[in-house]
Amino acid sequence: DTGVSQNPRHKITKRGQNVTFRCDPISEHNRLYWYRQTLGQGPEFLTYFQNEAQLEKSRLLSDRFSAERPKGSFSTLEIQRTEQGDSAMYLCASSSSDLANSPLHFGNGTRLTVT
Amino acid sequence: GNSVTQMEGPVTLSEEAFLTINCTYTATGYPSLFWYVQYPGEGLQLLLKATKADDKGSNKGFEATYRKETTSFHLEKGSVQVSDSAVYFCALPGGGNKLTFGTGTQLKVEL
Repeated sequence: DTGVSQNPRHKITKRGQNVTFRCDPISEHNRLYWYRQTLGQGPEFLTYFQNEAQLEKSRLLSDRFSAERPKGSFSTLEIQRTEQGDSAMYLCASSSSDLANSPLHFGNGTRLTVT
Repeated sequence: GNSVTQMEGPVTLSEEAFLTINCTYTATGYPSLFWYVQYPGEGLQLLLKATKADDKGSNKGFEATYRKETTSFHLEKGSVQVSDSAVYFCALPGGGNKLTFGTGTQLKVEL
């Protein structure tokens, strides 16, 4: 169990640029989640994959955000035309079963700063 | 939808003090309840859970009892250590396949 890996750890970008983050879940986990966390707040749900299918998206996920999990393994989260309000920690988590029976395993996150 | 409210921090305690972090929930039915912890520089990890009313979750000396009468899931530890310094999040299923988290309570334990 090598844990959930997220890259990069930090990203600084200028407003209007596009950014892409990567998440490598625990290998046997078929469920993958993206969350966003701002200072002093708890993680906010963005989207959920089961294998390669994106089954749920939050209303927080505007049309500038897109997530993929093409082969049911790693996932990418892209933000287009970044805004300063996108500055946050982006967290990825994975699990092997439903919420009641399997905990979420979180990565250390990617911290995005939009200048 | 389902939600949790937890006490604001930071909470500062001396080592060996008793800890309580309050969490109340609003939910349809009786969902599982969770406490997650985030140590400095690390990702969130599950601390404990309770899957039904009156259950007690426990781990690493921490306990929380699922009380449906008061819709609460308070986190307690009898004697905290410096190594318990972290941010603690109460959580529950928010509908669908997601967990909904509280705002987090930072705990600082001093010698």
